[in-house]
Amino acid sequence: ELKVEQNPLFLSMQEGKNYTIYCNYSTTSDRLYWYRQDPGKSLESLFVLLSNGAVKQEGRLMASLDTKARLSTLHITAAVHDLSATYFCAVVFQYSGGGADGLTFGKGTHLIIQP
Amino acid sequence: GAVVSQHPSWVICKSGTSVKIECRSLDFQATTMFWYRQFPKQSLMLMATSNEGSKATYEQGVEKDKFLINHASLTLSTLTVTSAHPEDSSFYICSASRGLRQPQHFGDGTRLSIL
Repeated sequence: ELKVEQNPLFLSMQEGKNYTIYCNYSTTSDRLYWYRQDPGKSLESLFVLLSNGAVKQEGRLMASLDTKARLSTLHITAAVHDLSATYFCAVVFQYSGGGADGLTFGKGTHLIIQP
Repeated sequence: GAVVSQHPSWVICKSGTSVKIECRSLDFQATTMFWYRQFPKQSLMLMATSNEGSKATYEQGVEKDKFLINHASLTLSTLTVTSAHPEDSSFYICSASRGLRQPQHFGDGTRLSIL
């Protein structure tokens, strides 16, 4: 069974600071996604990481993947209030039915950025 | 592109009622659609995966007779919660994928409240 563990689950930080969210997964996978969810809303796709050493950046967010360590990180640089949200990582597992691949989500990191 | 529409966005109904939720891919053909459930402040849990024209595959612990899924066309999947009870109250999110190794595109979610 694929397990995805995120930490921290809750993070309160000040604007301007840097921080990293970690995502560990238990079995081999070739794709990892990061999503953002605002309260009462659905998921917004942030990044997809496909290979070992992959790094992607968008604004103040940067995601990386180490498939050997089964670890992905989401780094926040000089945080601003607008980044307050819940962030999920999700890992692809192989669906035995032969269709598209199902996702296993981490528990999410609830991020609050205070002015 | 890759827009997924989910309807309705909010449902409040009495216990014992059956509720149908629609998930449509508006600008692409979705070989596979997924249904997730999210309880407050928790992660998304995959309920079932459906491929167009075939029976859905349900995750362990999800009652097939309770959550009826139909994927009759490449652009529409429906989830019917039969004889809903208060414990079925949750946020239901669908996603659609063009196929194997393709990303999932998420709908806006349906908030179901059973009184």
